[in-house]
Amino acid sequence: NAGVTQTPKFHILKIGQSMTLQCTQDMNHNYMYWYRQDPGMGLKLIYYSVGAGITDKGEVPNGYNVSRSTTEDFPLRLELAAPSQTSVYFCASSLLSGGATDTQYFGPGTRLTVL
Amino acid sequence: AQSVTQPDIHITVSEGASLELRCNYSYGATPYLFWYVQSPGQGLQLLLKYFSGDTLVQGIKGFEAEFKRSQSSFNLRKPSVHWSDAAEYFCALGKGDYKLSFGAGTTVTVRA
Repeated sequence: NAGVTQTPKFHILKIGQSMTLQCTQDMNHNYMYWYRQDPGMGLKLIYYSVGAGITDKGEVPNGYNVSRSTTEDFPLRLELAAPSQTSVYFCASSLLSGGATDTQYFGPGTRLTVL
Repeated sequence: AQSVTQPDIHITVSEGASLELRCNYSYGATPYLFWYVQSPGQGLQLLLKYFSGDTLVQGIKGFEAEFKRSQSSFNLRKPSVHWSDAAEYFCALGKGDYKLSFGAGTTVTVRA
């Protein structure tokens, strides 16, 4: 099992450009999550999904979009990138509800800089 | 509102010494509590978790944590630190739905 994989590892984006961060898990997990990590702030939930075709907003969804067409993939789309979106982005997955009894498994992260 | 506070931003400890990282939570019901570790350039890895039962929880890499309801705390401990324990540690609170609330993290530096 590769677990949770994310691409790219690093990226520099210009203000106003768009891009998609890819996330794939091979554990057949139902739940998937996108977080952003800013220095000294811990992780903030952007979007989450409880299964294919079902997504919902987290704490900081503005400026982002997601889709979940398959169980394995959960891409995060940045539209009209802004410097405030400079961050490290983590994708995670869990078999069951990851806020309760189940463990969330994290990918290695994507470090994104918007200039 | 639920929240997680990690009072120590940075801790420096000598190799072989003991380590304790503090975590306080605010939540009205029974909490689900987690400790994650993030090594430099890596994703987060679960160290241990508490749901119910025994208040002393054993985790991987020789870590343990104690849940104290009266103090709303879930402190992480290790008796003897190794250089490889240098990392950032996050306490997280789940409230029974899909979401975790993370503390701001504590960075641990291990000196020889």
